[in-house]
Amino acid sequence: NAGVMQNPRHLVRRRGQEARLRCSPMKGHSHVYWYRQLPEEGLKFMVYLQKENIIDESGMPKERFSAEFPKEGPSILRIQQVVRGDSAAYFCASSPLGQQNTEAFFGQGTRLTVV
Amino acid sequence: DQQVKQNSPSLSVQEGRISILNCDYTNSMFDYFLWYKKYPAEGPTFLISISSIKDKNEDGRFTVFLNKSAKHLSLHIVPSQPGDSAVYFCAAARSARQLTFGSGTQLTVLP
Repeated sequence: NAGVMQNPRHLVRRRGQEARLRCSPMKGHSHVYWYRQLPEEGLKFMVYLQKENIIDESGMPKERFSAEFPKEGPSILRIQQVVRGDSAAYFCASSPLGQQNTEAFFGQGTRLTVV
Repeated sequence: DQQVKQNSPSLSVQEGRISILNCDYTNSMFDYFLWYKKYPAEGPTFLISISSIKDKNEDGRFTVFLNKSAKHLSLHIVPSQPGDSAVYFCAAARSARQLTFGSGTQLTVLP
């Protein structure tokens, strides 16, 4: 039973490019959460999705950031026109149907570096 | 506005002794609390949790204590082992919604 899979593990983008981060939840998990960790800080909630639905995006920046969790395939966190301040570790977590978040399992993260 | 605070960025403990990691929160609506452990370049790993209706939960070497009146929780690890060296994050949830994390405490267990 594979854990939460995130790819790529490391991503380098130039300012102005787009970054796409992928997350495949654990088998049987239908809740996906994205968190961002800036250097020397804790993880900050960004968005909570179920299949084909955004449940809570209160932590998402209003511009350039979007997320989806289609019926088939992984969840995608998309950052358009990246800036240096987007450099961070982005973690995805998943939890089972009917069990929201409380013991979510995390992926290994994608480390985004904007140069 | 930091709703979950870990005021000690680092803690060093001798192997075999007790490690006590502390966490304070400000939002009285939080009803579930968790501790995660994180190694460099890896995602957080769930350790132990506690519901707000309890004041203690134990799992092997790990015990979490919750003091609701003081809005304080702590994680006790005894005996501490070198493999416990990692960053420990306290997190809180309200009505099973998203987690709010503290900034972490780096625990170093000295052999």
